[in-house]
Amino acid sequence: GAVVSQHPSRVICKSGTSVKIECRSLDFQATTMFWYRQFPKQSLMLMATSNEGSKATYEQGVEKDKFLINHASLTLSTLTVTSAHPEDSSFYICSARDERPDTDTQYFGPGTRLTVL
Amino acid sequence: RKEVEQDPGPFNVPEGATVAFNCTYSNSASQSFFWYRQDCRKEPKLLMSVYSSGNEDGRFTAQLNRASQYISLLIRDSKLSDSATYLCVVTRQPGRRALTFGSGTRLQVQP
Repeated sequence: GAVVSQHPSRVICKSGTSVKIECRSLDFQATTMFWYRQFPKQSLMLMATSNEGSKATYEQGVEKDKFLINHASLTLSTLTVTSAHPEDSSFYICSARDERPDTDTQYFGPGTRLTVL
Repeated sequence: RKEVEQDPGPFNVPEGATVAFNCTYSNSASQSFFWYRQDCRKEPKLLMSVYSSGNEDGRFTAQLNRASQYISLLIRDSKLSDSATYLCVVTRQPGRRALTFGSGTRLQVQP
C-alpha cells in the first residue's frame, strides 16, 4: 500500500533552536498534505494544509511565522518549527492525500516526537 | 462544544466480548466518516470508512446515522490485539479533506 515517511522520528533540541520535519509520499504524488499535532492524551489537531506550489493554509490559532511549511514538490512537504520552546514539545504527524482515481485516501506518516528542553 | 465527541473510556473488556463505541459530530455538512485506530505513541491507521447503509469488515461493524449525527463502531469477539485507542474522524466540510479527530476511546482487552 501507499507509504508516507517522516524524518526525523524523534528529535530533542534546546529552546530557541529551529527544527525541520520532512514528510514524504513514497509511491504517489500528493498535491495536498496535512500537518497535525498531538499533545499527550489529546486528539490530533490540524495545524495546516500544505499545498504544492502555493502557500499553506493555517488553522486558527496556529502561527504561520512560527510553523513554516514548504511544499516544494509533489512528494515532499516540510514543517519547520522556528525558535522552538518547551510548549512546542509534541507529536507532529503529517498525512498525504492520494488523489488517484478510486482511492482519494489519506495516509499518515509515522510521526515525529519533538522534545524541546 | 467539540466538533467530534467520544466517550474517552477506558473500556476494559475480556477477550471474546462485544464492545460498542459511539461518537457524535456537530457539523451537519460533514461528508465523510471514518474510524481510525491509534496504538500508543504511533500514528493513526484507518480501520474503516463509515456509510449510512452500514458496513462490516470481519469482526468490525460501523454505522452512520446522519439525522442524529451519530456514528458507531461494534467490535465482536474482542482480541487482545484490539487494545488501542479508537478515533472517530470526520471531514470538516464538503470538498475539504482535512480530518477532524475525536479525542478517542481507549479499549483494553484483557485475557
